[in-house]
Amino acid sequence: NAGVTQTPKFRILKIGQSMTLQCTQDMNHNYMYWYRQDPGMGLKLIYYSVGAGITDKGEVPNGYNVSRSTTEDFPLRLELAAPSQTSVYFCASSYPTGRNQETQYFGPGTRLLVL
Amino acid sequence: ILNVEQSPQSLHVQEGDSTNFTCSFPSSNFYALHWYRWETAKSPEALFVMTLNGDEKKKGRISATLNTKEGYSYLYIKGSQPEDSATYLCAFVGGTSYGKLTFGQGTILTVHP
Repeated sequence: NAGVTQTPKFRILKIGQSMTLQCTQDMNHNYMYWYRQDPGMGLKLIYYSVGAGITDKGEVPNGYNVSRSTTEDFPLRLELAAPSQTSVYFCASSYPTGRNQETQYFGPGTRLLVL
Repeated sequence: ILNVEQSPQSLHVQEGDSTNFTCSFPSSNFYALHWYRWETAKSPEALFVMTLNGDEKKKGRISATLNTKEGYSYLYIKGSQPEDSATYLCAFVGGTSYGKLTFGQGTILTVHP
């Protein structure tokens, strides 16, 4: 079991460029999440998905898009990179228990720098 | 917007000291409170999921308590070791949130040998 994997580990983008952050999990988890982590701010939820074909906005979705065509993959797209999107991005997944108590399993993170 | 606060923001202790820190969360519409441990250059890892008022959980030298009526949880580390140095995150689950976590900003613990 690889768990949750993310690529790339690190990327530098110019303002206005676009890119896709990849996230894959091999635990057959229905729920998947994207967070960003800014210094002193904890983790903020960008988007989440409760299953293939279903996505919804989190707390800070502006400037991002997601898709969920398979259970395993949950890519995050930045269309027009801005310096405010410089951050560390974490993908996570969990298996629904129906009791809102699911432990989330995190990937290793992608560090993004927008200049 | 849910408010989850952790204190202190950072903590420096000597090896062997016991320490504790706090997570405050909304006391209404409570479903669960998670604690995660996050070492530098690694991913956050789950420590505890707490669901009932009065819950106490323990893993080795780390334990946690939960008070849902007043909206706080304490994390305790007994006899801190340098390998306990990490950021400790709490996260609140409320309402019908599909397991969505609202994180506090974390407490950064540094244990000096």
